[in-house]
Amino acid sequence: EAQVTQNPRYLITVTGKKLTVTCSQNMNHEYMSWYRQDPGLGLRQIYYSMNVEVTDKGDVPEGYKVSRKEKRNFPLILESPSPNQTSLYFCASSRNRGYEQYFGPGTRLTVT
Amino acid sequence: AQSVTQPDIHITVSEGASLELRCNYSYGATPYLFWYVQSPGQGLQLLLKYFSGDTLVQGIKGFEAEFKRSQSSFNLRKPSVHWSDAAEYFCAVGRSGGSNYKLTFGKGTLLTVNP
Repeated sequence: EAQVTQNPRYLITVTGKKLTVTCSQNMNHEYMSWYRQDPGLGLRQIYYSMNVEVTDKGDVPEGYKVSRKEKRNFPLILESPSPNQTSLYFCASSRNRGYEQYFGPGTRLTVT
Repeated sequence: AQSVTQPDIHITVSEGASLELRCNYSYGATPYLFWYVQSPGQGLQLLLKYFSGDTLVQGIKGFEAEFKRSQSSFNLRKPSVHWSDAAEYFCAVGRSGGSNYKLTFGKGTLLTVNP
C-alpha cells in the first residue's frame, strides 16, 4: 500500500531534550516536506526537499533541522525543543513539483 | 510571495443544502491549486487539484472547484452536503515555475453540517 508513515505518532518531551521524528514514503517520490499545524494558523511549511541531499527552508524553519540522505526518508530533528514547538506535525511527499502531496497521519508533539 | 486566504473560518450548513467555500490566492503566475479535507483527528486528503486546462475541476466525494484567474479565486462547491462532509477544508497554492517548490496553505474553513 502506498503510504507516508511517521513515528512516533505521539510524543511528550521536556525542553531541551533532542528528538527526531521519522518520516518514510514507499512511493519513490522525489519531493518531501514537513508542516506544522496550529489552531487558527493552518498548515505552515517547515522544510522541504526536492531530492536527495537537496533541502530548503519553508516558512517556519527556526528550531528545526532536516536531512535527506535517502530518497524514502526525511527525518525532522529538534535539537533543543521548546514549548512553542508543541504542535501537530505532518510529513508529506509528492512525485515532483506540481503533483498532489500525500500526507502522513501526523505526530502530536508536546514539549513541557 | 505566494499566499492563500480563506475568508470564512467557520461555516454551518444544513444537510442537503449547497456549499461554497471560498479561496483567494496571491501569486504572480499561473499557480497549482489544491483543496484538501481533514476529518477530526485525521491527516489530510486531497479532494481535487488544478494545474492547467479546464477551469472547472471535478474531485472526489462530489466536490468541484472553479479556477477564476480574473478574481484570483479557486472556490470549492458541492450541490448537496452530507453529514459526513463535516470537516476542515484547506486550500493550497504551489508555484508552477522556478527551481524550488513550496506549497502554501490557507488557514482552513471548518464546516459544520446540521441534520
